[in-house]
Amino acid sequence: EVQLVESGGGLVQPGESLRLSCAASGFTFSSYWIHWVRQPPGKGLVWVSRINDDGRITSYADSVKGRFTISRDNAKNTLYLQMNSLRAEDTAVYYCARGTMGFDTWGQGTLVTVSS
Amino acid sequence: QSALTQPPSASGSPGQSVTISCTGTSSDVGHYNYVSWYQQHPGKAPKLMIYEVSKRPSGVPDRFSGSKSGNTASLTVSGLQADDEANYYCSSYADSNILVFGGGTKLTVL
Repeated sequence: EVQLVESGGGLVQPGESLRLSCAASGFTFSSYWIHWVRQPPGKGLVWVSRINDDGRITSYADSVKGRFTISRDNAKNTLYLQMNSLRAEDTAVYYCARGTMGFDTWGQGTLVTVSS
Repeated sequence: QSALTQPPSASGSPGQSVTISCTGTSSDVGHYNYVSWYQQHPGKAPKLMIYEVSKRPSGVPDRFSGSKSGNTASLTVSGLQADDEANYYCSSYADSNILVFGGGTKLTVL
């Protein structure tokens, strides 16, 4: 079964850091672009970042550029999102999603809450 | 990086058709044939319904169809069923190697 499972979410204070993970199984992880998409409570989907199959190409939404870093370890079939200088507006469910332009597989999401 | 524009709500009776619009600019929807549509039921992860403007993934009923004209993409749901009631989001590839989503449309089956 093709599956993505996020982990690492939690409650942090403004200015702190957090690293999310996304474990892949059931497909050849190293052949796919993977993205992070977030959804603030009660709101819509927001694209955050993406990384190509070998990890050499990345891009970010302006709202997280310079604070978040996407990376991957193809040997471990795992995607990461290092989030620094977290703000209240970063509070959201974070999903990892597989695909280049259309995301055909999504994880269940992990909740990040930034609050003092 | 402005979000694509979708109507906040849409509705139709069982069996009817409904079309949801998604308006962008010449930097995203109007420039690239990489528009996707997602269905999201409350508390669930999104599900891909349409990709590359009009292509349907395996398993998605042909009641769902997509199209594009200029800077506006559209999702049409024909033969509405109760389970179609959900939030629908469009997305598009955009200049500067980014993706953008629409604000979402809540589809109600009356």
